Amino acid sequence: QVQLVQSGAEVKKPGASVKVSCKTSRYSFTPYTMHWVRQAPGQRLEWMGWINADSGNTEYSQKFQGRVTITWDTSATTAFMELTSLRSEDTAVYFCANSPPSGWEFDYWGQGTLVTVSS
Amino acid sequence: QSALTQPRSVSGSPGQSVTISCTGTSSDVGGYNWVSWYQQHPGKAPKLMIYDVTKRPSGVPDRFSGSKSGNTASLTISGLQAEDEADYHCCSYAGSFTLVFGGGTKLTVL
Repeated sequence: QVQLVQSGAEVKKPGASVKVSCKTSRYSFTPYTMHWVRQAPGQRLEWMGWINADSGNTEYSQKFQGRVTITWDTSATTAFMELTSLRSEDTAVYFCANSPPSGWEFDYWGQGTLVTVSS
Repeated sequence: QSALTQPRSVSGSPGQSVTISCTGTSSDVGGYNWVSWYQQHPGKAPKLMIYDVTKRPSGVPDRFSGSKSGNTASLTISGLQAEDEADYHCCSYAGSFTLVFGGGTKLTVL
């Protein structure tokens, strides 16, 4: 069983950056892919990007290219998502979600982290 | 990428069946058999219900089924139950190692 535990809620000012963490209990030597998905209040899910924990390869949605960085700390078995140049439209719940090595579905999800951007 | 198109809401009575559609293009839904569906209750994280168009994860009732025709994928829930009331989201591989979600559908059990 895999558990994903995310860091707590954040309040940021416009223009600032936020870094959200996602700690996984899965064995570190098992290759898998960690995605980040966000959901603005009352809105749809929005895929942001992924990192392969084995290779360190990343891929980002064009919408967030240049503003988002996803990293992986092997020793801590923790993924991080940093979003810069925050604006009010970035107010959302941010989820980490795991994909199995051979698929593109999200089989395990974190509990979500609310990021509020407000002056 | 543009979001996949889902109806904003559907409804059905207990015991009935409902189908939620998810329409994309030949670059996403129509081009790959990597469509998944998620159930999301208010304030909760999404839960995987269907993957690879038709496959059901362990523990998901067989009342939930998936299919695809052309650029449209569908989720059918038969024998509706009160606990099925939730938001449902489709997601598709969109090429170049990217993914795209639908707009989400609110299911109301009358």
